[in-house]
Amino acid sequence: GAGVSQSPRYKVAKRGQDVALRCDPISGHVSLFWYQQALGQGPEFLTYFQNEAQLDKSGLPSDRFFAERPEGSVSTLKIQRTQQEDSAVYLCASSLGAGARHGYTFGSGTRLTVV
Amino acid sequence: SQKIEQNSEALNIQEGKTATLTCNYTNYSPAYLQWYRQDPGRGPVFLLLIRENEKEKRKERLKVTFDTTLKQSLFHITASQPADSATYLCAFRDDKIIFGKGTRLHILP
Repeated sequence: GAGVSQSPRYKVAKRGQDVALRCDPISGHVSLFWYQQALGQGPEFLTYFQNEAQLDKSGLPSDRFFAERPEGSVSTLKIQRTQQEDSAVYLCASSLGAGARHGYTFGSGTRLTVV
Repeated sequence: SQKIEQNSEALNIQEGKTATLTCNYTNYSPAYLQWYRQDPGRGPVFLLLIRENEKEKRKERLKVTFDTTLKQSLFHITASQPADSATYLCAFRDDKIIFGKGTRLHILP
């Protein structure tokens, strides 16, 4: 597609429920990133893939967070046993390369609300 | 750890004037610095990248400067318009892109 597509756009989860957030990057983009953005804050890095390899997961807040990109295209961010502090917008971005000279193309995000 | 700071207070500018946003960073010397625009309910949109050996970069009404001595980047919008109202994020890359909190800009008609 022309841009990065994320689904669902909004998700309301009961505390303790598992959720899965999907990201369809721009075709041919090697690098894929997940960010978490709380209200009034900048995006915070969660994890990074180059093709199907997860090269950096240092930003994942706990072992309840898990991301995968099995075929080097679509990625899923899974949050197990959601808690209220997980409420945020989850942004996916893709980039042609991994270098800083490439700007990232972001999706519109998934707004997760844990009640 | 690396830190990137933007003025968290909203900036109100009269239409037609130049808006200037500031980004400061510490504990790092990035080779590139990027600026993004973010509208409510949307993801950030890449605007400009400036390299450490470039003092200034322009794109239409946008101008970015990069002072590696001051560890600061300035982002200017000339002849500002209400449609320029948004949050502007600066970012640099270490092994991943690190974002500032952003500055909300309001252009008043």
